[in-house]
Amino acid sequence: SQQGEEDPQALSIQEGENATMNCSYKTSINNLQWYRQNSGRGLVHLILIRSNEREKHSGRLRVTLDTSKKSSSLLITASRAADTASYFCATYNNNDMRFGAGTRLTVKP
Amino acid sequence: DGGITQSPKYLFRKEGQNVTLSCEQNLNHDAMYWYRQDPGQGLRLIYYSQIVNDFQKGDIAEGYSVSREKKESFPLTVTSAQKNPTAFYLCASSRPSWNEQFFGPGTRLTVL
Repeated sequence: SQQGEEDPQALSIQEGENATMNCSYKTSINNLQWYRQNSGRGLVHLILIRSNEREKHSGRLRVTLDTSKKSSSLLITASRAADTASYFCATYNNNDMRFGAGTRLTVKP
Repeated sequence: DGGITQSPKYLFRKEGQNVTLSCEQNLNHDAMYWYRQDPGQGLRLIYYSQIVNDFQKGDIAEGYSVSREKKESFPLTVTSAQKNPTAFYLCASSRPSWNEQFFGPGTRLTVL
């Protein structure tokens, strides 16, 4: 069964705009990770945030974690057409890793 | 080049046959994982291994088997007991366990 649930399921924006995706989960976690998947390919790791962290940055990516609300968000700033992909959150706790169903992001040139 | 490879890219199987999917990594990672992805869904964990000669069942291990005789290799066998094996299979590795995972390109299995 899935732990993380991404919202929205699909997002379409213009190049240059920011994209925000949210992930909610049900049980306590050790860490939360965001991955990207281009159609029919393997996943690529973007960011890992631990349960005692609140925010992390990597280039144009910003991830926040609110353990009291059991939620995380991924912000992609100044989006590019090449950012078009599916984005998944994955929660880890006690040898159990669960992926959500993903947000499908389309960035129009 | 360091990385993780999976073969074949596409695999077709008749009902009742066992098939083995290959996964090899040269990243010197201790942990390796197998996931299944169905259309429009996230990944579900089949098996994982944190060390050679040891592996654990994930969420959906029924109908699958694995071995970990070498650090570099973690093959997955889809047996005839798996009721609905048509899916996209992804192998990953990490060091340490459960941190950033590196994924292979996947194998798409179709049962005819």
